[in-house]
Amino acid sequence: GDSVTQMEGPVTLSEEAFLTINCTYTATGYPSLFWYVQYPGEGLQLLLKATKADDKGSNKGFEATYRKETTSFHLEKGSVQVSDSAVYFCALSQNNAGNMLTFGGGTRLMVKP
Amino acid sequence: DTAVSQTPKYLVTQMGNDKSIKCEQNLGHDTMYWYKQDSKKFLKIMFSYNNKELIINETVPNRFSPKSPDKAHLNLHINSLELGDSAVYFCASRFGGNTEAFFGQGTRLTVV
Repeated sequence: GDSVTQMEGPVTLSEEAFLTINCTYTATGYPSLFWYVQYPGEGLQLLLKATKADDKGSNKGFEATYRKETTSFHLEKGSVQVSDSAVYFCALSQNNAGNMLTFGGGTRLMVKP
Repeated sequence: DTAVSQTPKYLVTQMGNDKSIKCEQNLGHDTMYWYKQDSKKFLKIMFSYNNKELIINETVPNRFSPKSPDKAHLNLHINSLELGDSAVYFCASRFGGNTEAFFGQGTRLTVV
């Protein structure tokens, strides 16, 4: 079945540092890929998505590129802020009606001032 | 207006009790889900409903039963609660395919 693997955390960075959170997937066909963010005590929010190979999703300074050849969707940000501290989830979904989102294990990011 | 709303936000109950968590979405989505998030933040799909029909039922105990009175609601009923059921439960909805899912705020269930 489909699966998503992401780097274990926590990832601890100083403010303005460069962020990379690795995500790789195993799936048949051409799934859509997502990054979700969960702030403390809240539900998950979509951060960005990409629906086909070589697409780049971007939002709030975060970016991720759908790499079919390496089955990866790494999340990057050039300069993190304290307010970016959260848990980040990589996920995939097959493009069929009703299909579930399969999530990676989540990566906690802690940004220090 | 909250897109996906769950009630209650917190639920503390004793072992052996029966409880329900309600979920409503006002987005017109035709697919709804229940996820369980454990203490390590791992998210596990429990149920998926598409147009009121159960289409995915992962290997969860049959003490858990989803109930969908209409397309906008997917409630979760749990019988004979156990300590291991303590977790945060999230409801979500989407149009399916490559669209994003919208999540509720979660229900933190604590079984004592």
